[in-house]
Amino acid sequence: ETGVTQTPRHLVMGMTNKKSLKCEQHLGHNAMYWYKQSAKKPLELMFVYSLEERVENNSVPSRFSPECPNSSHLFLHLHTLQPEDSALYLCASSHAAGISDTQYFGPGTRLTVL
Amino acid sequence: GQQLNQSPQSMFIQEGEDVSMNCTSSSIFNTWLWYKQDPGEGPVLLIALYKAGELTSNGRLTAQFGITRKDSFLNISASIPSDVGIYFCAGSSNSGYALNFGKGTSLLVTP
Repeated sequence: ETGVTQTPRHLVMGMTNKKSLKCEQHLGHNAMYWYKQSAKKPLELMFVYSLEERVENNSVPSRFSPECPNSSHLFLHLHTLQPEDSALYLCASSHAAGISDTQYFGPGTRLTVL
Repeated sequence: GQQLNQSPQSMFIQEGEDVSMNCTSSSIFNTWLWYKQDPGEGPVLLIALYKAGELTSNGRLTAQFGITRKDSFLNISASIPSDVGIYFCAGSSNSGYALNFGKGTSLLVTP
C-alpha cells in the first residue's frame, strides 16, 4: 500500500498552458523526488529535495519548476511545455536523501502535451 | 546516471512456470532494488538488497545481490496471472542521490 499520493492522475494540456502536479507523502520521510518515465526509456531523475532543500537538479529544462513547501509536499509547476514532455511523472520519497535509502513511488501523473 | 542492463526485455510464459530475470552493471552498487509496475501505476517495491551475497525472499519472489556487487537476479516461482507487469531493477552506488534503473522486463502470464 503506497503512502505516496499524486494528483491529478491524468492531465492534458496545451503548450501555452500553466499547470501544476502535486505529490504528498504520508510516510514521515525527509526526501522527495521527481522522475520522468517515457516509453522504452529508463526512469529519469529530475529533482531531489532533502528537508525542503533542492539537492539535485539533473539538467532539467526551466519549463519544469519544482517546489517543496514542507517535507510532506512536492509540486512540479509546468509552463510552455513541448509535446515531447508527454510522459508519466512519478514522485517518490525516502527516509533520507542518502545513497542507499529505499524510495517509495506514487502512482504517477500521466501528462499529455498537445 | 549509470545504465543497468536488464534482461530479458520481455517474457511470455504459462501459469505455473518459474521466471528468472537479471540485471548487470559496469559499476559496483551498494543497494539493489526490484520493483514491479502495473499499467498506469507507479513502481511498487518488491525486494531490497543491501549486502553482497544477500538472498532475500518475499513470498514467491526471491532476489539475490551478486557477490561482485555488479549484478542481481529476481526469480518468481509458480507464476500466476497477477504477476503480469513490468519488473524493474534499480541500484545505487556511493555517488549522488539517484537510483539507476534498468529498462524493465515485461512479463506476460497466460492462464
